[in-house]
Amino acid sequence: QSALTQPPSASGSPGQSVTISCTGTSSDVGGYKYVSWYQQHPGKAPKLLIYEVSKRPSGVPDRFSGSKSGNTASLTVSGLQAEDEADYYCCSHAGRSNVFGTGTKVTVL
Amino acid sequence: EVQLVESGGGVVRPGGSLRLSCAASGFTLDDYGMTWVRQAPGKGLEWVSGITSNGGGTGYADSVRGRFTISRDNAKNSLFLLMNSLRGEDTALYYCARGITGRYDHWGQGTLVTVSS
Repeated sequence: QSALTQPPSASGSPGQSVTISCTGTSSDVGGYKYVSWYQQHPGKAPKLLIYEVSKRPSGVPDRFSGSKSGNTASLTVSGLQAEDEADYYCCSHAGRSNVFGTGTKVTVL
Repeated sequence: EVQLVESGGGVVRPGGSLRLSCAASGFTLDDYGMTWVRQAPGKGLEWVSGITSNGGGTGYADSVRGRFTISRDNAKNSLFLLMNSLRGEDTALYYCARGITGRYDHWGQGTLVTVSS
């Protein structure tokens, strides 16, 4: 149950796009469709952005999109806005458990 | 409105025990699997444990297996986490979340557990 690997940081200017990777193994990311992404602002609970690799809950802007290839999942935030500055975590099902990523801090320049 | 409210956190000595509770409202608890996730101060999210909607299936992180027990009482709209043999590394904010296979669509605000002598 090792944490999934994410880059520690990512950044972009308003209006630009940023893509965050989430690398696991065939026992988690590569083996299941249950990959999700969460946004967490300081002092707040996480918020679900993407589930089942690429599905968006109602209310989440379509600026947020998810994909997966092999053992790596990705979250793309298009048209960056100031309020997108936050920590982002991926999560994958892994059999009888689940595992989160190491987290990525996104900075809007 | 869906609400999840955790309670039961506090300061406990190493080796001690705590029982966390999560009160659910605004939805039918027995329609959903539920999960506990924790976050150590200044650190990332860590999946702790999950339980199926009827309580028949449970899962645990390696770091807590054998020490923590997840349970639920659907009639009382409540989720629980019994934590035994607590260690310093268990110090964290503990969140309950609705969902079990990673679609955690609602979260509580968390309850803080501090393990310290």
